[in-house]
Amino acid sequence: KNEVEQSPQNLTAQEGEFITINCSYSVGISALHWLQQHPGGGIVSLFMLSSGKKKHGRLIATINIQEKHSSLHITASHPRDSAVYICAARPNYNNNDMRFGAGTRLTVKP
Amino acid sequence: NAGVTQTPKFQVLKTGQSMTLQCAQDMNHEYMSWYRQDPGMGLRLIHYSVGAGITDQGEVPNGYNVSRSTTEDFPLRLLSAAPSQTSVYFCASRIQGDTEAFFGQGTRLTVV
Repeated sequence: KNEVEQSPQNLTAQEGEFITINCSYSVGISALHWLQQHPGGGIVSLFMLSSGKKKHGRLIATINIQEKHSSLHITASHPRDSAVYICAARPNYNNNDMRFGAGTRLTVKP
Repeated sequence: NAGVTQTPKFQVLKTGQSMTLQCAQDMNHEYMSWYRQDPGMGLRLIHYSVGAGITDQGEVPNGYNVSRSTTEDFPLRLLSAAPSQTSVYFCASRIQGDTEAFFGQGTRLTVV
């Protein structure tokens, strides 16, 4: 079983909808990352968090350490948000490693 | 700043050929790493380095070699390519500790 699981695998939304992507992990972690991968293939870091909540523009990331769960929310979604969103956890047992979810492919239709 | 630069972007190899994927960063980051991305799976760590002269294996190191002679460069070598190494490869760098990672644009490698 993968140490980091994401849901859903695929998500289609209409422009303007509120989006939630979920990430669960099974190991103790020092940090959790949310990444965005556009169709061109490049990967960009969106958030790094170890507790609570972070907000950047229309994006909000939350983490519940006790429940080993994180969510990425997108408010007022736009077609340019279409991308693959990847959750990655840095495990306590090896701070030099990072374990990745398989990604959530988001398509926002106009 | 250029950030993390990977070359080439695309490569086709024949089974048994060797090649080096290049990765360079200009942010003076101590930590550099190589990942492979396969369909339906998350990125997996191949090798990493915490500084010049120091490298270590990740989750899937077999078939790959690395070296870190300078802070800036972290090349990944395939000594004898196999079809199972067909994948998209990403290089990343960061400051040591729980910090944001910066990724290269990826190299799409096909081994036939």
